[in-house]
Amino acid sequence: GDSVTQMEGPVTLSEEAFLTINCTYTATGYPSLFWYVQYPGEGLQLLLKATKADDKGSNKGFEATYRKETTSFHLEKGSVQVSDSAVYFCALMWPGGGADGLTFGKGTHLIIQP
Amino acid sequence: DAGVIQSPRHEVTEMGQEVTLRCKPISGHNSLFWYRQTMMRGLELLIYFNNNVPIDDSGMPEDRFSAKMPNASFSTLKIQPSEPRDSAVYFCACVASGGSGELFFGEGSRLTVL
Repeated sequence: GDSVTQMEGPVTLSEEAFLTINCTYTATGYPSLFWYVQYPGEGLQLLLKATKADDKGSNKGFEATYRKETTSFHLEKGSVQVSDSAVYFCALMWPGGGADGLTFGKGTHLIIQP
Repeated sequence: DAGVIQSPRHEVTEMGQEVTLRCKPISGHNSLFWYRQTMMRGLELLIYFNNNVPIDDSGMPEDRFSAKMPNASFSTLKIQPSEPRDSAVYFCACVASGGSGELFFGEGSRLTVL
């Protein structure tokens, strides 16, 4: 079956550091890929997405590129802020697949220190 | 749109008591999901509905858990009797069919069973 693997956290960085959170997936075909972010005390919310190979999703300074050759969707940001401290989830979904087609990674806790 | 609305936001109860969590999805989003989140197990899918019909409840941990969706604008998750190990944050999420696959999450119901 499908699976999503994220680097384990917590990941602790200083403000203005460069961020990479690795995400790789296992699936037959080309699903849509997502990054969700969960701020303390809140539900998950969509950060960015890519629906086909070589697409780049971007939002709030974060970027991720859909790489089919490496089955990866790594999240990057050039200069993190304290306000980026949150849990980040990588996910894949087959359009129209309902929950059967939705797979989340375990989440990566990011801590940004001033 | 107000987004996904969950209630209560916080509930503290004693072991053996019945707990009912409520969710109002976004209008027009016809798939609804109930998730449970704990530090130990991360994000777990409990059950999901499509057009008010339960499609997959294999994630429901025990017979003590039940979920209903009597109409398109309301769902409940009930735990009876509750146990301390049920303590978690319970999220409701929805997605629109034919859309991009983005899940919209509520802010969660934090349950503490003493």
